Amino acid sequence: GENVEQHPSTLSVQEGDSAVIKCTYSDSASNYFPWYKQELGKRPQLIIDIRSNVGEKKDQRIAVTLNKTAKHFSLHITETQPEDSAVYFCAALSGSARQLTFGSGTQLTVLP
Amino acid sequence: DAGITQSPRHKVTETGTPVTLRCHQTENHRYMYWYRQDPGHGLRLIHYSYGVKDTDKGEVSDGYSVSRSKTEDFLLTLESATSSQTSVYFCAIRGDRDREGYGYTFGSGTRLTVV
Repeated sequence: GENVEQHPSTLSVQEGDSAVIKCTYSDSASNYFPWYKQELGKRPQLIIDIRSNVGEKKDQRIAVTLNKTAKHFSLHITETQPEDSAVYFCAALSGSARQLTFGSGTQLTVLP
Repeated sequence: DAGITQSPRHKVTETGTPVTLRCHQTENHRYMYWYRQDPGHGLRLIHYSYGVKDTDKGEVSDGYSVSRSKTEDFLLTLESATSSQTSVYFCAIRGDRDREGYGYTFGSGTRLTVV
């Protein structure tokens, strides 16, 4: 089955700096890669996603890049703000397209 | 809110007792999922359903069973609860990818404590 590894597990940045979270996946048939943000005590919420026919996608201060050859994808957050502090999860959709496999999460802390 | 509700929100139960968690959706989505969330492990799939009475196991299915007798409800049962099943349980739904894409919508979660 699919295996998704996520790094780093914790990340602290100064407000206004950029943050990068990286994930690798194992199943070359995976073709959809979402990112979820989970604030303390709340449900995970989708913030951005990318499909395998696209190399990069941006939405305001967040962007995701995908390297299919190397089987890794990354989340980039620019001009970080305190409200960006949360746990971020990457995920990959299995080749069967039935279920997502999640990374273990990154606790991002933005220091004021 | 998101058309998905979980019940109960919190539960404390004793070791060895059966427990059933409920996920209810109003979106008429085909796919429903049960995940558990533990520190350091992220979200791990327990079971999922791809239609009424169609279910399959995830990576951590031992000790859990599920049922889906109608589109809107997906039940997760711990036959005999153990302390290792203390966790936060999230239900998620997803529509038909051809029409609604692949994105999951999560419920608010159920915090289960087995003592």
